[in-house]
Amino acid sequence: QSALTQPRSVSGSPGQSVTISCTDTSSDVGGGYDYVSWYQQHPGKTPKLILYDVNKRPSGVPDHFSGSKSGNTASLTISGLQAEHEADYYCCSYVGNYVWVFGGGTKLTVL
Amino acid sequence: EERLVQSGAEVKKPGESLKISCKGSEDTFTNYWIGWVRLMPGKGLEWMGAIFPRDSETRYSPSSEGQVSISVDRSMNTAYLQWRSLKTSDTATYYCARRKMEIVDTRVYYYGMDVWGQGTTVTVSS
Repeated sequence: QSALTQPRSVSGSPGQSVTISCTDTSSDVGGGYDYVSWYQQHPGKTPKLILYDVNKRPSGVPDHFSGSKSGNTASLTISGLQAEHEADYYCCSYVGNYVWVFGGGTKLTVL
Repeated sequence: EERLVQSGAEVKKPGESLKISCKGSEDTFTNYWIGWVRLMPGKGLEWMGAIFPRDSETRYSPSSEGQVSISVDRSMNTAYLQWRSLKTSDTATYYCARRKMEIVDTRVYYYGMDVWGQGTTVTVSS
C-alpha cells in the first residue's frame, strides 16, 4: 500500500499563502487518476472536505483553497491566510480497488 | 441537508466485542460508498474500509483487514463497524463518511467524502 507523506507542520502570517504537499512515496498520487482530496479538521471537530479530484471545490468552499498535482505530489494552497484556517489538513489518495489512504496530516499554524 | 448520524460513545474492556453504527438516508445508501475513518489520540486520520450498500461490496485497508468487520442493513439505511475482540489500541474516534460513485460510459468516477458522521469515541481500557 502506498504511503502519503505530508509535512508535519506549516505556518504563515495572516494574508500570506501557504502550500501543503502530499507525496506518494511509491507511485503516482491519485492512483493513476485525479482522485486526490483534501480535508480540514479543527480540533474536536468533524473533518470537512475542501477539495476533491485534485482541485475541485465542493459547494460552499471558498476559492482561497486551491489544489494541484504533479507526478507523485499533490499540493494544497491556502491564500489569504486567516485565523480560522488554523487546523489540521489531510490529503487522501486512491490506491486502487476501492482502497484509499490518508496522508499523515499537516498542522497549519497562523502566526 | 444530508446527515450521517452515528451511535454514541462506548467504554469497553479488552477482549469485549462492539458494533457501532452510522445511519443515513436512502439516497446515501443507494448511491454512495460508506467508509470508516479512525482518528487515534495524537495521530492522523486513517482510512479503515468501506462498503457499497447497494451490493454490499466491501473493502478494507491492509491494516484493518481481519481486525474489523464492516456491514450494512439497507432496510435501516445503517452501516456498521464491528470488532470481535477489542484491544486497548482500538481506543479512538471513529467516523463514517460517504463518497459518491458514478458510472459514466463504463468508467467509474469517485468523489470526495462530502458528508461525515459526528464521530463515535471508543475507549478500551481494563
